[in-house]
Amino acid sequence: SQKIEQNSEALNIQEGKTATLTCNYTNYSPAYLQWYRQDPGRGPVFLLLIRENEKEKRKERLKVTFDTTLKQSLFHITASQPADSATYLCALDTGRRALTFGSGTRLQVQP
Amino acid sequence: EAGVTQFPSHSVIEKGQTVTLRCDPISGHDNLYWYRRVMGKEIKFLLHFVKESKQDESGMPNNRFLAERTGGTYSTLKVQPAELEDSGVYFCASSPAGVGSHYEQYFGPGTRLTVT
Repeated sequence: SQKIEQNSEALNIQEGKTATLTCNYTNYSPAYLQWYRQDPGRGPVFLLLIRENEKEKRKERLKVTFDTTLKQSLFHITASQPADSATYLCALDTGRRALTFGSGTRLQVQP
Repeated sequence: EAGVTQFPSHSVIEKGQTVTLRCDPISGHDNLYWYRRVMGKEIKFLLHFVKESKQDESGMPNNRFLAERTGGTYSTLKVQPAELEDSGVYFCASSPAGVGSHYEQYFGPGTRLTVT
């Protein structure tokens, strides 16, 4: 069956360090992989999209990699700040636009 | 520009009652999506409208759920009759028409539905 795995354990890091979150998937052939941020009581907010033929995408302090052979995406936040504390969701899109979400990883950046 | 709005923010109903959730997408967005998150689970896709047409309703759990988007603007999601397992947070999202960079989706704040 199709499955998306994100580390369910919270990730705690010190301010200024780089946070790295992992998204692994099985039995999918996604055309796009997206990362969203979700704060408590709010809807997901789009951060980055990477296509199947792209290896890496950057936006300010964010970087996403996509390895379709390993079936894995890594999401990096450099120079992390307490304001980056949130739950980060990985979502796959096979091209039909219906997103399939992982369960999310909670990031806590300590000042 | 106003974001996606949803109403109500929270609804508490008894099992067997009917509830209607409303979503107003970002103005001009042809694509509208419904998702839900039940307790402890990941967000799951329910259906996708393109304008007023249902493009994909493969995620609708059963025929107690009815979604409409008359006129291609706002959408409603009716649950009738509601069951305990319908409790959760229902999210609406929208995106513009077209290909390329328009695959990101803009989410509303969600409606928390509690069925007792």
